[in-house]
Amino acid sequence: DQQVKQNSPSLSVQEGRISILNCDYTNSMFDYFLWYKKYPAEGPTFLISISSIKDKNEDGRFTVFLNKSAKHLSLHIVPSQPGDSAVYFCAASFQGAQKLVFGQGTRLTINP
Amino acid sequence: GAGVSQSPSNKVTEKGKDVELRCDPISGHTALYWYRQSLGQGLEFLIYFQGNSAPDKSGLPSDRFSAERTGGSVSTLTIQRTQQEDSAVYLCATSLWGFNQPQHFGDGTRLSIL
Repeated sequence: DQQVKQNSPSLSVQEGRISILNCDYTNSMFDYFLWYKKYPAEGPTFLISISSIKDKNEDGRFTVFLNKSAKHLSLHIVPSQPGDSAVYFCAASFQGAQKLVFGQGTRLTINP
Repeated sequence: GAGVSQSPSNKVTEKGKDVELRCDPISGHTALYWYRQSLGQGLEFLIYFQGNSAPDKSGLPSDRFSAERTGGSVSTLTIQRTQQEDSAVYLCATSLWGFNQPQHFGDGTRLSIL
């Protein structure tokens, strides 16, 4: 039962352009969503989060959008930089269960 | 250091042996989580500690797995009678408290069972 899904295993974007990573979820009880970035041999690094009472949260080059009716969230990175090349995980939780449920990850490659 | 520290970074052991993995949390973080990532998979929740409350063990895959957190600080994850399917990266994360707080991860322990 995959409650959080990232349907694109990989994405390639040119440097300077916008990167859009997508995530879908099935559990309507989720009320907190996060994006993590992971380099090889390192733990995931927290990027940005959003509560279900919002539909957008922005932090520098990173913006997360939440569409509750579609049970969909996305991460926009603009402009994309070579250092953004990594695996990106979306995750979700709800107050009744603090554990995070992760998607499978999307490998983002930024081409010069 | 200021981040979550895990040891060892790598562990290779023979099938059937017991292993113990350690996590040192960020100072002041009351919530501590263990996850594992098998090859090509996402992160899978194992267990969660919050203060002095009883831990949430709902993610532990079998009774060979156990964890404890002493004094609300350091945590150890123990796997008894290891099997080859236990091979994975085991990640520890901590947060200030449990609700709607980002979790901060260590670099993990890569466990290989021969």
